[in-house]
Amino acid sequence: EAGVTQFPSHSVIEKGQTVTLRCDPISGHDNLYWYRRVMGKEIKFLLHFVKESKQDESGMPNNRFLAERTGGTYSTLKVQPAELEDSGVYFCASSQAQSYEQYFGPGTRLTVT
Amino acid sequence: GDSVTQMEGPVTLSEEAFLTINCTYTATGYPSLFWYVQYPGEGLQLLLKATKADDKGSNKGFEATYRKETTSFHLEKGSVQVSDSAVYFCALSRGVNDYKLSFGAGTTVTVRA
Repeated sequence: EAGVTQFPSHSVIEKGQTVTLRCDPISGHDNLYWYRRVMGKEIKFLLHFVKESKQDESGMPNNRFLAERTGGTYSTLKVQPAELEDSGVYFCASSQAQSYEQYFGPGTRLTVT
Repeated sequence: GDSVTQMEGPVTLSEEAFLTINCTYTATGYPSLFWYVQYPGEGLQLLLKATKADDKGSNKGFEATYRKETTSFHLEKGSVQVSDSAVYFCALSRGVNDYKLSFGAGTTVTVRA
């Protein structure tokens, strides 16, 4: 069974540009989470989807971040326009049910210059 | 709000040495506690967990006990191997319709042969 996959593995963009990160959860997992780790600090929650609905987006830092999960399968996280402080590693995780273990992807390292 | 504090690294050990990584938390109620591990180039993996006070989680020779009186969940391993070199994250979730994870900053452990 394939694990959680994320694309790209690394992205380098200039300040003001747009970047879209993609996450493919484990097949059949209704719950999808986005997290990010900035500058070696703690990993922080961004948002949680249940199927295609946003269950909790309390961690989204501002309106430059837009997450979607059309059809309840893969999810995208768009940053527009990107700022220097958005640099970090963005992790996606999925779980079969909310109380079940979250399986993490390898992360996307975003560098904004 | 909820928070997790874990000892800062990096930690460098020799093979067969004893490893302990301290973790304390602040949360209301009775959170579930976790240790995640990230090996080089991989995503986070659940290492062990405990869901109530005095529970002991264990896996791969690692152990941690949920201590509510000291709000701690310290990770220990009696004899580390080179393959244990990784970043270790302590985390909690509240549960009960709120399963997002709150992480500590991570501790990088390097084991030398």
